[in-house]
Amino acid sequence: EVQLVQSGAEMKKPGESLKISCQGSGYSFTNYWIAWVRQVPGRQGLEWMGVISPADSNTIYSPSFQGRVTLSVDKSINTAYLQWGSLQASDTAIYFCARSYTSASHIDLWGRGVLVTVSS
Amino acid sequence: DIQMTQSPTSLSASVGDRVTITCRASQSISRYLNWYQQKPGEAPKVLIYTASSLQFGVPFRFTGSGSGTDFTLTISGLQPEDFATYYCQQTYETPVTFGGGTKVEIK
Repeated sequence: EVQLVQSGAEMKKPGESLKISCQGSGYSFTNYWIAWVRQVPGRQGLEWMGVISPADSNTIYSPSFQGRVTLSVDKSINTAYLQWGSLQASDTAIYFCARSYTSASHIDLWGRGVLVTVSS
Repeated sequence: DIQMTQSPTSLSASVGDRVTITCRASQSISRYLNWYQQKPGEAPKVLIYTASSLQFGVPFRFTGSGSGTDFTLTISGLQPEDFATYYCQQTYETPVTFGGGTKVEIK
């Protein structure tokens, strides 16, 4: 089955670090880019955070997220990562990983999303 | 960044109605416009890509049109499973940006 499997929900305190994962299966992982999309619970809206190519780790960040998060990938295990060095309460959201054929093309496959809660 | 403005933000409609949602880009994006449907607790799902191409498996009652800065998504004959939130997305350039969404509710 073609799918993106994301890691589980996280509960963290402000200032803590976090790395969440997204593993692709059922397709050639290096043939597609992996994008990350944020959605704040209870609010209408999707925010594109950035995208990474598993083939060569080429990464493009949205200016809104540049410097606040890091995208990475380990193609040997078909897994992409989104990490924070120091979480803030405003990072509380659902984070989706998603597949697109190029760095800027429509998304044809989504993970189920990971709820990250940051609270003291 | 290219700003995407959807209207309306929400609407109420009945089963069988024809529904139209519009999306306007802050600059020309040619036909690099996609439409997604999202139901509560689920990830979005693509309906239409490059303005008017129907994603495989999506019912024909969903149609997209437009080019340049103005686009529409039309649902012809609303079905109970269509009550959801719809988002447009431009993929003309990075950063990719989404519209604010249109929630379609039952009247």
